Amino acid sequence: EIVLTQSPTTISASPGEKVTITCRATSSVTYMYWYQQQSGASPKLWIYDTSKLASGVPNRFSGSGSGTSYSLTIDTMETEDAATYYCHQWHTPPTFGGGTKLELK
Amino acid sequence: QVKLLQSGAALVKPGDSVKMSCKASGYPFTDFIIHWVKQSHGKSLEWIGYVNPHRGDTDYNEKFKGKATLSVDRSSSTAYMEFNRLTSEDSAIYYCTRGGFGTPFGFWGQGVMVTVSS
Repeated sequence: EIVLTQSPTTISASPGEKVTITCRATSSVTYMYWYQQQSGASPKLWIYDTSKLASGVPNRFSGSGSGTSYSLTIDTMETEDAATYYCHQWHTPPTFGGGTKLELK
Repeated sequence: QVKLLQSGAALVKPGDSVKMSCKASGYPFTDFIIHWVKQSHGKSLEWIGYVNPHRGDTDYNEKFKGKATLSVDRSSSTAYMEFNRLTSEDSAIYYCTRGGFGTPFGFWGQGVMVTVSS
């Protein structure tokens, strides 16, 4: 099983600030996926195939990486971006990272 | 549009079983595999397994073999998950998902909160 480790586990950012969340895998994966989960809601696919934005995702978000190291970046933090973000890989069995809680400072 | 409508919250006693449903709409039900995911309170996400509505075959995360049973009813476009011998560790939110955009978890249901308590 591929274990995904996200860092940081919690981060506070002010509006306009740049935010980067990283996800490291214990083995190389082909693609990384990211989900956004707002409090009390289901996770939503946010970034797929490492760097493609899901429908409706603002272009201040971006994804990058390869092999065992991936990241999600927000160029300029907005209030609506406060949420928990999970990375995910689907080499069997599919696994998720532990989550990064992004708070508004 | 794709919708996955899950059944309501459940309060069950330790040792009991619970069966939850996931009704799909907005696409041909047999064209996409349905996956199930567990989210314990305040924690991350775990893949439970999947059921293929077209063939009926299933696969499970080793951790949930013997615990979860997945099935479908093609006539109503509904997938089911039954969890047995419930303990407090099974208290969680359970999501059904459908593939899309290269991942098994492209679309999510609203989740079912299961509480195991005497």
